[in-house]
Amino acid sequence: GAVVSQHPSWVICKSGTSVKIECRSLDFQATTMFWYRQFPKQSLMLMATSNEGSKATYEQGVEKDKFLINHASLTLSTLTVTSAHPEDSSFYICSASGSGYEQYFGPGTRLTVT
Amino acid sequence: GDSVTQMEGPVTLSEEAFLTINCTYTATGYPSLFWYVQYPGEGLQLLLKATKADDKGSNKGFEATYRKETTSFHLEKGSVQVSDSAVYFCALTLLQGGSEKLVFGKGTKLTVNP
Repeated sequence: GAVVSQHPSWVICKSGTSVKIECRSLDFQATTMFWYRQFPKQSLMLMATSNEGSKATYEQGVEKDKFLINHASLTLSTLTVTSAHPEDSSFYICSASGSGYEQYFGPGTRLTVT
Repeated sequence: GDSVTQMEGPVTLSEEAFLTINCTYTATGYPSLFWYVQYPGEGLQLLLKATKADDKGSNKGFEATYRKETTSFHLEKGSVQVSDSAVYFCALTLLQGGSEKLVFGKGTKLTVNP
């Protein structure tokens, strides 16, 4: 149980375009979802926390207008990278938690901006 | 602020060798401590956890003891297998805004050779 999926697993987009990444909890209701960014040989850095039906809470230094997060249902959250640039290329990971506090992680999405 | 420091890798061992990956933390209050594992191409999975001082978390032959006096949570396994090859992350949780926020170390890549 407690499976989280992400789609797509990898995406390449051109500079200036937007790209949407989906995160789904497949077998539980996720009241809270988290979005992380992972650079090569670096730790996961929390970008934002979202609760179903409310606005996301962004970490300091994360541009909320660039990284749009929507958590419209208890099983789906989306991260949209708007006007992507090469420096946005990274590995994006989501996690979800339900009634307990434990976070279950998705497999990640590799974004490459050319 | 709260942080996690873990030994830098990569770590390369032969099968059946003893493994130690060091992890120390800095935190206000009394965090819970975790080890996550990320196998190639997969999302992070919780390996073990400890919620209070002197607790020992264990799973799949791995162990870690919450040492408050040394602010440490070192991961150990007596005899590693090739299938243990993965990246290991030490983490702590903070209760923030009604949800638990994970703070990760940078990760340690382990390669086990046959």
